[in-house]
Amino acid sequence: AQKITQTQPGMFVQEKEAVTLDCTYDTSDPSYGLFWYKQPSSGEMIFLIYQGSYDQQNATEGRYSLNFQKARKSANLVISASQLGDSAMYFCAMREDWNTGNQFYFGTGTSLTVIP
Amino acid sequence: SQTIHQWPATLVQPVGSPLSLECTVEGTSNPNLYWYRQAAGRGLQLLFYSVGIGQISSEVPQNLSASRPQDRQFILSSKKLLLSDSGFYLCAWSTGRSPLHFGNGTRLTVT
Repeated sequence: AQKITQTQPGMFVQEKEAVTLDCTYDTSDPSYGLFWYKQPSSGEMIFLIYQGSYDQQNATEGRYSLNFQKARKSANLVISASQLGDSAMYFCAMREDWNTGNQFYFGTGTSLTVIP
Repeated sequence: SQTIHQWPATLVQPVGSPLSLECTVEGTSNPNLYWYRQAAGRGLQLLFYSVGIGQISSEVPQNLSASRPQDRQFILSSKKLLLSDSGFYLCAWSTGRSPLHFGNGTRLTVT
């Protein structure tokens, strides 16, 4: 089974609007971390936001927030007030703290295009 | 602060030639080190990871190998490249429960 599933290959959003990128995960590990990365066309992988499995509150970093629904095993990324520079690939990732310790699992990514 | 250096940025190699990609990390000790490959328009495939000097775990059987001769140095190698080895190679590090931190990547084209 896939550890991380991103079901949206491509998304479009109007500039200044909010957009939600979906991510579901699969793990039996009680302790894990969830991450989102941005990959612009230049190829670099930029870390955006982190959510720990025991964190009670949803993580936020500036215009990025992570909608963490533990029972549904979802960790959606919300980008508010989209900007043209947000156009990029976005990857969801998970690290299991006990089962596999040091491995990070990545989804297949979502390509976001911001329309002016 | 911690930095990661990966080189070269781009590489064009003929089929059957050897490969050596190098990655070094500064500003941290005993990091976990990773090599990922990304085919054009695709997700990340974990190739190797290392939790210490000389300790390498391989995730995908292939003609690539990895070595960690020093604590903060990770090398990806091949004796004979295949066309299918073309892609974008990313080195990354983490410590404890930190996020993965990536290098800028190497675009490898095998001709």
